[in-house]
Amino acid sequence: DIQMTQSPSSLSASVGDRVTITCRASQSISSYLNWYQQKPGKAPKLLIYAASSLQSGVPSRFSGSGSGTDFTLTISSLQPEDFATYYCQQSYSTLGYTFGQGTKLEIK
Amino acid sequence: EVQLVESGGGLVQPGGSLRLSCAASGFTFSSYWMSWVRQAPGKGLEWVANIKQDGSEKYYVDSVKGRFTISRDNAKNSLYLQMNSLRAEDTAVYYCAREDIVVVPAAMPLYYYYMDVWGKGTTVTVSS
Repeated sequence: DIQMTQSPSSLSASVGDRVTITCRASQSISSYLNWYQQKPGKAPKLLIYAASSLQSGVPSRFSGSGSGTDFTLTISSLQPEDFATYYCQQSYSTLGYTFGQGTKLEIK
Repeated sequence: EVQLVESGGGLVQPGGSLRLSCAASGFTFSSYWMSWVRQAPGKGLEWVANIKQDGSEKYYVDSVKGRFTISRDNAKNSLYLQMNSLRAEDTAVYYCAREDIVVVPAAMPLYYYYMDVWGKGTTVTVSS
């Protein structure tokens, strides 16, 4: 099984900050990496697919990069609505997908 | 409007069974892989199972193999999850999700899958 590890598990930041969340795979997954945002009591929302492609309708302050085993999600200038939990997910293995454990982004 | 609506959740005793449904609308259901993803209370997301467009391929997370069965009825635009031998650790909100794909042309085409449409979820509680 491919394990996905996110860091940090939680993060405090202020509106306007630049924030980076890291996701590491236990083996190379090329660019088969997606990022989701989830707010309390809501379903996840797709932000980034194929490591760096921005989903339609997602603000351009979100960006993704990386390939192989190391990936990052960057929010260039935090907005109040960005405080949420973020998950990475690998789609490399056709036998089953796995998510990272999540990164909770909180207001400082 | 593209929409997924889950139903069928509830309270069930350990060892019991439950069948979840997911009704799709606003898109050609038969053209997409579909997934079930769950989230235990206060925990992260866990992919549970997925199924190919025609139902010919199905994959499961190890923890539910032999207990859960994913299926679909393209004529009814519906996805299902039959859950048997339920355990306390199966307690979660269950989401259905559509898997979209982007194909990158190459000598060997690259297929990138991602879950782009999600339902609001249905809650399953396994407790005596």
